[in-house]
Amino acid sequence: NAGVTQTPKFQVLKTGQSMTLQCAQDMNHNSMYWYRQDPGMGLRLIYYSASEGTTDKGEVPNGYNVSRLNKREFSLRLESAAPSQTSVYFCASSAGQNYGYTFGSGTRLTVV
Amino acid sequence: GIQVEQSPPDLILQEGANSTLRCNFSDSVNNLQWFHQNPWGQLINLFYIPSGTKQNGRLSATTVATERYSLLYISSSQTTDSGVYFCAVAADSWGKLQFGAGTQVVVTP
Repeated sequence: NAGVTQTPKFQVLKTGQSMTLQCAQDMNHNSMYWYRQDPGMGLRLIYYSASEGTTDKGEVPNGYNVSRLNKREFSLRLESAAPSQTSVYFCASSAGQNYGYTFGSGTRLTVV
Repeated sequence: GIQVEQSPPDLILQEGANSTLRCNFSDSVNNLQWFHQNPWGQLINLFYIPSGTKQNGRLSATTVATERYSLLYISSSQTTDSGVYFCAVAADSWGKLQFGAGTQVVVTP
C-alpha cells in the first residue's frame, strides 16, 4: 500500500527523556514535513525537507531536530521531552510545491 | 504569515442535506488544499485547488484566487462525512502549508 508510514502510533515519555519519531514514504516524493496538532491550535509546521539532503525550520522548531536520512525517510527527534510537547505529530509528503500532501496516520505523544 | 479563516466553526447537518464551507486567506497563494480529518484522526487530502473548480463525487471545491477565498461544497451529506475539514494555503516555493482552524461537521442520521 503506497503512502506515508509513521511509527510509533502511541508513546508515553517522562520529562527529560528522548525519542525519535520515524516517518517513511514510498511515493518517491521530494518534500516531507512534520506537523504537530494541538486542541484549538490547528496544525503547525515544525520542520520540513524540500528535497533529500536539505532541512529547514518551520513555525515551531524549538525542542526538535530532524534528519532526512534518504529520499524515503524523515525522522523527528525530541532530545529532552517536555510536557509542552504533548501533542499529535503528523508526517506528510508531497511531490513538490504544486502537488497535494499525503499524511501519515499520526503519533500520539504524551509527556508526563 | 498568511492568515487563514474558516467558517463556520461548527456545522450540524441532517443526512442528505447540502452545505458550503468557506476559507478566506489574507494574501496571494500558490497552493491551497482541503483536508478531511475523520473521527479516528486520519487526515485525507480532498483537493489541491489553488484556483478554479474541481469535483470528486459528492464533494466539489472552488477557489477564487483574486478574491482570496475558497469554498468546499458537500452535497447529499452522509454520516461518513462527519469530522473536521481543514483549509490550508502556501505562498512559498516549498509548499509549507498554513492551516486554518477547521470546520467541525457532524452529520446526523
